[in-house]
Amino acid sequence: GDSVTQMEGPVTLSEEAFLTINCTYTATGYPSLFWYVQYPGEGLQLLLKATKADDKGSNKGFEATYRKETTSFHLEKGSVQVSDSAVYFCARTKRAGFQKLVFGTGTRLLVSP
Amino acid sequence: EAQVTQNPRYLITVTGKKLTVTCSQNMNHEYMSWYRQDPGLGLRQIYYSMNVEVTDKGDVPEGYKVSRKEKRNFPLILESPSPNQTSLYFCASSETGTSNEQFFGPGTRLTVL
Repeated sequence: GDSVTQMEGPVTLSEEAFLTINCTYTATGYPSLFWYVQYPGEGLQLLLKATKADDKGSNKGFEATYRKETTSFHLEKGSVQVSDSAVYFCARTKRAGFQKLVFGTGTRLLVSP
Repeated sequence: EAQVTQNPRYLITVTGKKLTVTCSQNMNHEYMSWYRQDPGLGLRQIYYSMNVEVTDKGDVPEGYKVSRKEKRNFPLILESPSPNQTSLYFCASSETGTSNEQFFGPGTRLTVL
């Protein structure tokens, strides 16, 4: 079935380090792909999205590229800040033309000064 | 301010005592959804609604009910809560369309004793 797999956390980095959080998805249909972020005590917020192969989503210094050949949508940021500490969720639509989201299990990022 | 509101934010109850968690959005969105978030499992969809009077089961609907009598409201009802329904619950809404951002409420932390 449709699923999303994320790397286990927590990911612990020092400020200004390079960040990669891996995400792969099952190759059924032509899903839209998303990264959501959850700050402590809050609901999820959309960070970025990509709707077709080779699209790159970007926001707040974060980027992810929709790679159909590797079924991946890895999240990257060149220089993390303490304020980036949060839980990051990768998600896909269940199938093309269908709105339901399937989420990964989330990856906690901890950035220290 | 565009937002999704949930009430209550925190609730401790006992097994079998019926409860309702309210969800309301002010963005005139057609699509609304309930999720539960559990450690190691990410977010799982409970129920969703494509529009007024149109609801359908998600991945984990057992023990829950919903209704959509008005476009802005989508309450989640637990007729006879059990301890395995202890979780963090999120309501979300969006415009219809697979690439549209889902807006999340702040969450309701429910404990069933």
